[in-house]
Amino acid sequence: DQQVKQNSPSLSVQEGRISILNCDYTNSMFDYFLWYKKYPAEGPTFLISISSIKDKNEDGRFTVFLNKSAKHLSLHIVPSQPGDSAVYFCAASDKSGGGADGLTFGKGTHLIIQP
Amino acid sequence: KAGVTQTPRYLIKTRGQQVTLSCSPISGHRSVSWYQQTPGQGLQFLFEYFSETQRNKGNFPGRFSGRQFSNSRSEMNVSTLELGDSALYLCASRPLALEGSPLHFGNGTRLTVT
Repeated sequence: DQQVKQNSPSLSVQEGRISILNCDYTNSMFDYFLWYKKYPAEGPTFLISISSIKDKNEDGRFTVFLNKSAKHLSLHIVPSQPGDSAVYFCAASDKSGGGADGLTFGKGTHLIIQP
Repeated sequence: KAGVTQTPRYLIKTRGQQVTLSCSPISGHRSVSWYQQTPGQGLQFLFEYFSETQRNKGNFPGRFSGRQFSNSRSEMNVSTLELGDSALYLCASRPLALEGSPLHFGNGTRLTVT
């Protein structure tokens, strides 16, 4: 049973436009959410996170929105740049384990920025 | 600051053999986690070590084990390899094992079992 779902395996966006990556979760015990970016042949790189007590967190071109009632979060990238082309993973931490249970990852969305 | 270093980068083993993977965390980081990435299952948590103690283990058989040394370096061992163990094994570190604190990943060890 997939507790973190990224329903779009791929997304193509024009350079300069907004990229919106979506993530849904089912476990109501998740209370931290993180986004990672991964280039081929490299490990994932942390981008931005949000605690469940917030509904928005912003860092430069990256903004994460959390809708707890819908169990949905999204990552907005504005403006999109060619270097943003990568696989993006949504991940969540379960507070019932005190963070000791590791992160639960979605299967990723491949973002392609078109020139 | 040097990032998380994993060795070797690539490994080919035969079914039934055992393998040991190594991870050096970022200097000052005391928590080390291991994840398995496969095309079908995505990234899955194996275990996390903090101050040489295993905090928890993911849903993997006992053939998967690990340890952490006093200098925070960690090793992961897989015994009696199966074809399904072919995967990218990622190590990640963080300063403390605090919930919500981001993991810093290495570039992984690509294990192929034939």
